[in-house]
Amino acid sequence: DIQMTQSPSTLSASVGDRVTITCRASQSISSWLAWYQQKPGEAPKLLIYKASTLESGVPSRFSGSGSGTEFTLTISSLQPDDFATYYCQQYNSYLKTFGQGTKVEIK
Amino acid sequence: QVQLQESGPGLVKPSQTLSLTCAVSGGSISSGTYSWSWIRRPAGKGLEWIGRVFTSGSTTYNPSLKSRVTISLDTSENQFSLKLTSVTAADTAIYFCARGKSDYSWLDPWGRGTLVTVSS
Repeated sequence: DIQMTQSPSTLSASVGDRVTITCRASQSISSWLAWYQQKPGEAPKLLIYKASTLESGVPSRFSGSGSGTEFTLTISSLQPDDFATYYCQQYNSYLKTFGQGTKVEIK
Repeated sequence: QVQLQESGPGLVKPSQTLSLTCAVSGGSISSGTYSWSWIRRPAGKGLEWIGRVFTSGSTTYNPSLKSRVTISLDTSENQFSLKLTSVTAADTAIYFCARGKSDYSWLDPWGRGTLVTVSS
């Protein structure tokens, strides 16, 4: 299995902050990485696929970068609606695996 | 747009079979070349992909669960289902269904998830 390691597990930030979440793969996955946002009781929402392609309708303050084994999700200016848990997912293998999640909390 | 909704018993006894259904609305489950996946998240843990069924009916499962899992399509009801046999407390989790574009794909959309507790 390809292991995905996400950090940090929890992040405390204020509205307007720039926030960066990191995801590391145990082997190269090229750019086959997606990012999701999940709020309690809601379906996970696709934010980014192919490491840096923004899903239609997702605000431009979200961006993704990286390739190989190191990836980042950046929120350029944190908004109240962004407090949620974020997951990365690799799809280089048929056996999709996810990071453990990063909870973005209000500071 | 396509929407997914999970349903099934919220409580299952140990050693029994967990059965869940994912109803698909806004589109036909048999159109296109999509994959239909089940994913779960045990309390305090990360997401685990369980397996998927293609519109063709072919299936692929997570090796860690393969001996206990069956995923199938019901095109007449526009839904797909999950069966997990011989459950234990370790199978207590929120179960999600989701659509993928292919075997090597992100997942979108997802259902909201349904909590299944394994307890006597």
